[in-house]
Amino acid sequence: KNEVEQSPQNLTAQEGEFITINCSYSVGISALHWLQQHPGGGIVSLFMLSSGKKKHGRLIATINIQEKHSSLHITASHPRDSAVYICAVKGGTSYGKLTFGQGTILTVHP
Amino acid sequence: DTGVSQDPRHKITKRGQNVTFRCDPISEHNRLYWYRQTLGQGPEFLTYFQNEAQLEKSRLLSDRFSAERPKGSFSTLEIQRTEQGDSAMYLCASSLWGGTDEQFFGPGTRLTVL
Repeated sequence: KNEVEQSPQNLTAQEGEFITINCSYSVGISALHWLQQHPGGGIVSLFMLSSGKKKHGRLIATINIQEKHSSLHITASHPRDSAVYICAVKGGTSYGKLTFGQGTILTVHP
Repeated sequence: DTGVSQDPRHKITKRGQNVTFRCDPISEHNRLYWYRQTLGQGPEFLTYFQNEAQLEKSRLLSDRFSAERPKGSFSTLEIQRTEQGDSAMYLCASSLWGGTDEQFFGPGTRLTVL
């Protein structure tokens, strides 16, 4: 079993729909990242959080440390949101290296 | 500052050749990481520097792989005697330990070994 599991692996939505991507992890962590990767490879950090909830524009990230679970929500989805979304965790005793989930491929149709 | 940069962006090589990649982190960042990503998978940790010291290496990093960060600024990753299984995207990230330690990623170097 991977240390970081994401669901779903693939997600297709219509423009305007509310989207949720889930991440579960099995190790103790000091922080969790949500990352976005477009075709071509570049990775952009969306959020880094260690507790509670963060919001940026139409994106919301939540984390429940006790349940070892995080969610990324996209409100009013748009075709430009189509990308791979990756959850990554930083272990509490590591030097900061990230352990990644396998990613969720999101496609938003107009 | 324009963020983390990597060079080259693409590299095609023949099996058995040596390749070297470069990463320039955000200028004040003291931590630098190398990750490898194969098609359809999330990235995997390879190695990590704090300033010029290489503090951790993954067991994925065979003897054919070597990384340096000679002056605590840019870093190089060399792969000797490349194999087809080395084909992947090689990602570099940097962070400021002592700050938020949030990692910022470069655009990656895509390696294809023929």
